[in-house]
Amino acid sequence: SQTIHQWPATLVQPVGSPLSLECTVEGTSNPNLYWYRQAAGRGLQLLFYSVGIGQISSEVPQNLSASRPQDRQFILSSKKLLLSDSGFYLCAWSVRRGTAEKLFFGSGTQLSVL
Amino acid sequence: DAKTTQPPSMDCAEGRAANLPCNHSTISGNEYVYWYRQIHSQGPQYIIHGLKNNETNEMASLIITEDRKSSTLILPHATLRDTAVYYCIVRAISGTYKYIFGTGTRLKVLA
Repeated sequence: SQTIHQWPATLVQPVGSPLSLECTVEGTSNPNLYWYRQAAGRGLQLLFYSVGIGQISSEVPQNLSASRPQDRQFILSSKKLLLSDSGFYLCAWSVRRGTAEKLFFGSGTQLSVL
Repeated sequence: DAKTTQPPSMDCAEGRAANLPCNHSTISGNEYVYWYRQIHSQGPQYIIHGLKNNETNEMASLIITEDRKSSTLILPHATLRDTAVYYCIVRAISGTYKYIFGTGTRLKVLA
């Protein structure tokens, strides 16, 4: 069966520090991968999505970047964190299966930038 | 931007049916309606999706109007564990990879 791993669960970082969040998917190949962010009390904002290795689409210009070095690995990064980068970060995946396609989420990372 | 409109919040008595509406008046012919829910501090969970026919699974039923401009998610016997934010999404099966979430409906099931 397919599983998605996202870590760490909680992260506290000072302003100006770098960030690296990692997500891996097991049990499937060539998934679509996504990064979402959820500010406190708000809805989910799509940040990046990827349909293949090295292929990254950015939805919102911001202080973050994403990379996909391997088929089932998706990394969210920042060189210098801002206070506004605080939030709940979710990795998700889907496989193109026509009408049966669904999106599956990881357990998320709660990032606090202080 | 999200292509759906949902009420920000709803209450439902435990054991009663919870009917969550969603408006998607600009839906295209190749777009499906998806429903997800998010329990506090967890990743969203898939519930159900459909194109134009009503759908039912072990979690819920999805009723889509004939003109497909709105839909209703029905939780037949709500429990306290159904308290969550429910998101309605429209998405084409082909030609796009994005799932765009709106702000959802915060459902509170009352004992």
